[in-house]
Amino acid sequence: KQEVTQIPAALSVPEGENLVLNCSFTDSAIYNLQWFRQDPGKGLTSLLLIQSSQREQTSGRLNASLDKSSGRSTLYIAASQPGDSATYLCAALYNFNKFYFGSGTKLNVKP
Amino acid sequence: DTAVSQTPKYLVTQMGNDKSIKCEQNLGHDTMYWYKQDSKKFLKIMFSYNNKELIINETVPNRFSPKSPDKAHLNLHINSLELGDSAVYFCASSFTGESGELFFGEGSRLTVL
Repeated sequence: KQEVTQIPAALSVPEGENLVLNCSFTDSAIYNLQWFRQDPGKGLTSLLLIQSSQREQTSGRLNASLDKSSGRSTLYIAASQPGDSATYLCAALYNFNKFYFGSGTKLNVKP
Repeated sequence: DTAVSQTPKYLVTQMGNDKSIKCEQNLGHDTMYWYKQDSKKFLKIMFSYNNKELIINETVPNRFSPKSPDKAHLNLHINSLELGDSAVYFCASSFTGESGELFFGEGSRLTVL
């Protein structure tokens, strides 16, 4: 059974800190791993997608890594800003277009 | 120009009523989805259509009926609404396969009184 877990559920950091969000998945037969951001009352915005053959992807201050053998992905945010405050979700794609979502990490970056 | 658009954004209705939510994507994707996000913010797949064909139908009451008139549209009709149906419903779309990046609409918040 495919399960995706995100720990911690909530994280509060001072502005400027580098931070890491964790995502773990039970079935390593993923097609890709995607990170999203969700602001209150809004839809999910795609941040980064890592295909199963890739190890990491970078976009600006964001870096996502994927380790299929250990069933883990991390999202690294450098020099965090108050505007980064949001809920971050990861989703693992399996066969037949099945995306499984974690329950998210709610990030608060304090000015 | 919004990539995945769904309407209405808000629905407030009485128990027992029937309601529909519409979704359209202009990304040329071949697969569309309906997700339900509950009060704890957990996202759960409800349905998935690939080129108008139903491919995922999770354990959802048959009061929920999706319809895909073409691969750019996926609508959700809900009969006999219950209190527990209150949630945010998200439409999403993607291409099939490893590079399939999921794009979401803004969500439709349904409140059943």
